[in-house]
Amino acid sequence: NAGVTQTPKFRVLKTGQSMTLLCAQDMNHEYMYWYRQDPGMGLRLIHYSVGEGTTAKGEVPDGYNVSRLKKQNFLLGLESAAPSQTSVYFCASSHRLGDGYTFGSGTRLTVV
Amino acid sequence: GIQVEQSPPDLILQEGANSTLRCNFSDSVNNLQWFHQNPWGQLINLFYIPSGTKQNGRLSATTVATERYSLLYISSSQTTDSGVYFCAVNDKIIFGKGTRLHILP
Repeated sequence: NAGVTQTPKFRVLKTGQSMTLLCAQDMNHEYMYWYRQDPGMGLRLIHYSVGEGTTAKGEVPDGYNVSRLKKQNFLLGLESAAPSQTSVYFCASSHRLGDGYTFGSGTRLTVV
Repeated sequence: GIQVEQSPPDLILQEGANSTLRCNFSDSVNNLQWFHQNPWGQLINLFYIPSGTKQNGRLSATTVATERYSLLYISSSQTTDSGVYFCAVNDKIIFGKGTRLHILP
């Protein structure tokens, strides 16, 4: 039972490069979320999805795009990476809004 | 929007001590969850507790939704309890900033 799987686990990007983070869940959850975690800031919501084909902005969406083409996958894209996007990124899913979250193990991204 | 505040922000205790972590929220909520982030960064679900009290071994949690707070109790602390504890208001998709707990051997 894999739960929520994030790839890659680590990545170093140069300023201006692009990349996509993949989140996959095998629990048939409707809701999926992308958070970033910075020291002293807790977890801040970037984007979330309430079902296949839907996305919505969270607290800190600027500089990121997302897609949910398949129910089990939620992609987070950085079109032109900036050093301010150096962070640890977590994906989570839940069956419904308000249900308990299941988290992935995180992606540590460094932009130099 | 709803505010979620956790206290204390940092806590250092000797092994074997008990502790109480608090999560206050500024508006009514339907669901609340406690997580432990271990030193390796993993977020581990502790309790999903919209109301009432739950216990799991040395840990227990109480949420009093009408008074807008939740408490996490850790008894007989062990060094493996070290890390950051977050509360999350699930139906508002908001996390507190966490309490960093350090247990000294």
